[in-house]
Amino acid sequence: AQKVTQAQTEISVVEKEDVTLDCVYETRDTTYYLFWYKQPPSGELVFLIRRNSFDEQNEISGRYSWNFQKSTSSFNFTITASQVVDSAVYFCALSEEGGGADGLTFGKGTHLIIQP
Amino acid sequence: DVKVTQSSRYLVKRTGEKVFLECVQDMDHENMFWYRQDPGLGLRLIYFSYDVKMKEKGDIPEGYSVSREKKERFSLILESASTNQTSMYLCASSWGSGAFQETQYFGPGTRLLVL
Repeated sequence: AQKVTQAQTEISVVEKEDVTLDCVYETRDTTYYLFWYKQPPSGELVFLIRRNSFDEQNEISGRYSWNFQKSTSSFNFTITASQVVDSAVYFCALSEEGGGADGLTFGKGTHLIIQP
Repeated sequence: DVKVTQSSRYLVKRTGEKVFLECVQDMDHENMFWYRQDPGLGLRLIYFSYDVKMKEKGDIPEGYSVSREKKERFSLILESASTNQTSMYLCASSWGSGAFQETQYFGPGTRLLVL
């Protein structure tokens, strides 16, 4: 069965610091998809990125970057020069090509607090 | 722009009431989902639908039913609300034949309190 682990329950940093959120996954499929979502205090889950297992290129989008490493089954998310508006709960999620009953598995989330 | 809307942001109901949560998407997505989110338990899938009038059980379907009469609308029904159904309910939609392989776009959520 697929599994996603976000070991960091809560991270607190001061504004402008860089911060990395860890995501480790388990799957038996060779084809799978990884996602990151942001959930601000308002409650809506906001999609950030989708990555398939064959695309190991790192991605950068403004202050956000993602490091996908199949060798360590990790898909980590870094925010550079953090801002107070980045404060939210961040979820990593995994789905397998075979889909089926396991569907989309979410990690428990990392609560990121950016202090001014 | 992607848009998923839910009928209420906050809802207070009494035990035993029948509760309807509505979700509408305007992206012509084939797939729609209902999750509940609870502290310490994360997001759990209740039901999903990959086509009109089709539905599949998720991880925790007990006490819930769903209806999808039109492609853009997916309703979650609590037949007889109980206090343990107090939760945050999130609706999502995605396109394509692989329900879980494509990106799911979420609505703003409904915080339901059952007294």
